[in-house]
Amino acid sequence: GNSVTQMEGPVTLSEEAFLTINCTYTATGYPSLFWYVQYPGEGLQLLLKATKADDKGSNKGFEATYRKETTSFHLEKGSVQVSDSAVYFCALSDSQGAQKLVFGQGTRLTINP
Amino acid sequence: NAGVMQNPRHLVRRRGQEARLRCSPMKGHSHVYWYRQLPEEGLKFMVYLQKENIIDESGMPKERFSAEFPKEGPSILRIQQVVRGDSAAYFCASSVGQGAEAFFGQGTRLTVV
Repeated sequence: GNSVTQMEGPVTLSEEAFLTINCTYTATGYPSLFWYVQYPGEGLQLLLKATKADDKGSNKGFEATYRKETTSFHLEKGSVQVSDSAVYFCALSDSQGAQKLVFGQGTRLTINP
Repeated sequence: NAGVMQNPRHLVRRRGQEARLRCSPMKGHSHVYWYRQLPEEGLKFMVYLQKENIIDESGMPKERFSAEFPKEGPSILRIQQVVRGDSAAYFCASSVGQGAEAFFGQGTRLTVV
């Protein structure tokens, strides 16, 4: 079946550091890929998505590129802020929307001033 | 424009009691999804409903769990005879249709004592 594997956390960085959170997936067909962010005490918010190979999703300075050859969708940001502290989830869907998402286990990110 | 509303935010039940979790989708959304998040884990799909229909319940435990989305009113996730292992955060998401982006509520954190 479909599955998503994320790099284990927690991840702690200093403000303005470069961020990479690795995500790889296993899926049949051509899934859509997503990154969600969960701030403390809140629900998930869609951060960015990509629906086909070589697509790049971007939002709020975060980027991720759909790499079919390596089955990866790594999340990157050039300069993190304290406000980026949250839990980040990589997910896939076998449709272009977000129906029946399969999530990774999440990566807790803490940014220190 | 209210988002997806879940209530209660926190629910404490004793073993053997029933838990009822409510989800009001965003205005205009007729598709609802329920996910469960166990501590330190990613979200796991439980059930996908449209008004008065269960479309996919492949993630629902076979016993004690049920879900409905009536023609009028919120979607309800019901857990009968709760056990400690049911303690988790339960998230609801809604969308305008199949394949469309789903928006998440803030979740209900169920604690079984």
